Amino acid sequence: GAGVSQTPSNKVTEKGKYVELRCDPISGHTALYWYRQSLGQGPEFLIYFQGTGAADDSGLPNDRFFAVRPEGSVSTLKIQRTERGDSAVYLCASTDIKGGVTGELFFGEGSRLTVL
Amino acid sequence: AQSVTQLGSHVSVSEGALVLLRCNYSSSVPPYLFWYVQYPNQGLQLLLKYTSAATLVKGINGFEAEFKKSETSFHLTKPSAHMSDAAEYFCAVSDGGTNAGKSTFGDGTTLTVKP
Repeated sequence: GAGVSQTPSNKVTEKGKYVELRCDPISGHTALYWYRQSLGQGPEFLIYFQGTGAADDSGLPNDRFFAVRPEGSVSTLKIQRTERGDSAVYLCASTDIKGGVTGELFFGEGSRLTVL
Repeated sequence: AQSVTQLGSHVSVSEGALVLLRCNYSSSVPPYLFWYVQYPNQGLQLLLKYTSAATLVKGINGFEAEFKKSETSFHLTKPSAHMSDAAEYFCAVSDGGTNAGKSTFGDGTTLTVKP
């Protein structure tokens, strides 16, 4: 079946612009996670959705970052007034109920954001 | 708070040789531990996981890892490297429970396999 799909795969924007990154999880997966991976580092947790609600947004770096999942499936990560330091690969992962207990995540290929 | 240290950002082995990728963790609660692999231009894929059952965990592609509480380690091994094992490997820890997917990752180890 289809895996986690992320669009766009690459996004180049200018400092100060607004950006939206989309994640389409595996069908039936109730839990959805956003991670950010900077160059040379491992992924860092940003936010976790269980259904439509953000169950844990403790990893969002500041109020320029916001994410939604209005119907409990597709999620959008929104970044306002982008800064050069926001340049990274943004990873989305989903998991089913069983995976939510064991922690197994299914990752997409990521959206590479470059802020000039 | 949790943390993961992967010793060696780059490891190079010959084809057929033992693969050993080191991971040490810190956790205030019994941890869940994971190894993920990332091939070029692909997403992270779970290799194996420890979730408080058997301490020796077998994963895909012939990899295994042993949870050693006394050493706070979860090293990844494979007896014989194959060219297709060349990739980046990430160790991760979570505290389980209802948010088991919230993991802290190490910075990764790039494995090179020489012919």
